[in-house]
Amino acid sequence: GNSVTQMEGPVTLSEEAFLTINCTYTATGYPSLFWYVQYPGEGLQLLLKATKADDKGSNKGFEATYRKETTSFHLEKGSVQVSDSAVYFCALSSSDSNYQLIWGAGTKLIIKP
Amino acid sequence: DTAVSQTPKYLVTQMGNDKSIKCEQNLGHDTMYWYKQDSKKFLKIMFSYNNKELIINETVPNRFSPKSPDKAHLNLHINSLELGDSAVYFCASRQGSTDTQYFGPGTRLTVL
Repeated sequence: GNSVTQMEGPVTLSEEAFLTINCTYTATGYPSLFWYVQYPGEGLQLLLKATKADDKGSNKGFEATYRKETTSFHLEKGSVQVSDSAVYFCALSSSDSNYQLIWGAGTKLIIKP
Repeated sequence: DTAVSQTPKYLVTQMGNDKSIKCEQNLGHDTMYWYKQDSKKFLKIMFSYNNKELIINETVPNRFSPKSPDKAHLNLHINSLELGDSAVYFCASRQGSTDTQYFGPGTRLTVL
């Protein structure tokens, strides 16, 4: 079945550091890929998405590229801020499973000033 | 102008009780979902409804019963609550063949 694997956290960085959170997936067909963010005590917000190979999703300085050859969708940001501290979830969905989201385990990101 | 709303936001109750969580979306979407987030933040699909018809029913205890009175509402009723039911429950909706889901704010259920 479909699955998502993302790097374990917590990831602790200093402000202005470069961020990478790794995400790989296993899926039949051509899933859509997503990054969601959950700030402390809050709900789930869509951060970015990509729907086909080589697409790049971007939002708020974050980027991720859909790499079919490596089945990856790594999240990157050039310069993180304290306000980026949150839990980040990689997820996929496909039409053959009614677009239900299959989630990674989440990666907690802590940014220190 | 909340797109997907859930009530209540917090629910604290005793073991053995029966409770309901309500979800409403005003986006005109035809598909709705319930997800459970456990204490380790792990998320998993519970149910999916499309035009009031149950599409996905994962291996959830039959104490959990979703009800969709119309396309805009998907409620979750839980009988005989157990300690392990403590979690955050998220409702989401989606339209047609699009792939993006819109989430409610979540309901934090605590069973004592």
